[in-house]
Amino acid sequence: NAGVTQTPKFQVLKTGQSMTLQCAQDMNHNSMYWYRQDPGMGLRLIYYSASEGTTDKGEVPNGYNVSRLNKREFSLRLESAAPSQTSVYFCASSRTGNGQETQYFGPGTRLLVL
Amino acid sequence: AQSVTQPDIHITVSEGASLELRCNYSYGATPYLFWYVQSPGQGLQLLLKYFSGDTLVQGIKGFEAEFKRSQSSFNLRKPSVHWSDAAEYFCAVGPKAAGNKLTFGGGTRVLVKP
Repeated sequence: NAGVTQTPKFQVLKTGQSMTLQCAQDMNHNSMYWYRQDPGMGLRLIYYSASEGTTDKGEVPNGYNVSRLNKREFSLRLESAAPSQTSVYFCASSRTGNGQETQYFGPGTRLLVL
Repeated sequence: AQSVTQPDIHITVSEGASLELRCNYSYGATPYLFWYVQSPGQGLQLLLKYFSGDTLVQGIKGFEAEFKRSQSSFNLRKPSVHWSDAAEYFCAVGPKAAGNKLTFGGGTRVLVKP
């Protein structure tokens, strides 16, 4: 099993450009999450999907959209990138949306917006 | 709103010495509590978690954590540190209801001296 995979690993964008971060899991998990990691702030939840067909906002959703394409895939889209969105983005998944479930993380996508 | 504080941004410890990482949380009720570790360039991996019962929980890689309700703390400990323990450690809390939405602390980076 590959676990949680993310593409690309690294991306440079200019202000105003758009891009989609891809995430896939092969663990048959129902719930998936997108976080951003900034120095000294830990990880902050952007969006999550408790189950296929549902998505909901997290702590910092502004400037982002998500699509739960199917059970395996959960993408994050930046429509008009801003320098404030320079960050490392992590996708995670868990078997269910129950608070006791362990979240499994991908290796991250490092995004630089100039 | 819930919050998680990790007071130590950096800790340097000698190999073989003991390690304690502090975590304090602010929450309406006792949440689920987690410790994750992030090795350089990697995603996060769960070390241990606490839901209820025995307040001393054992995790992987020889780590343990103690929940103290009176202090709203969930400190992580390891009796003897190995060079491979150099990483960033994150404390996280999650609600007992309303989904698996974690709030992370800012992280503690651990450096291990030979």
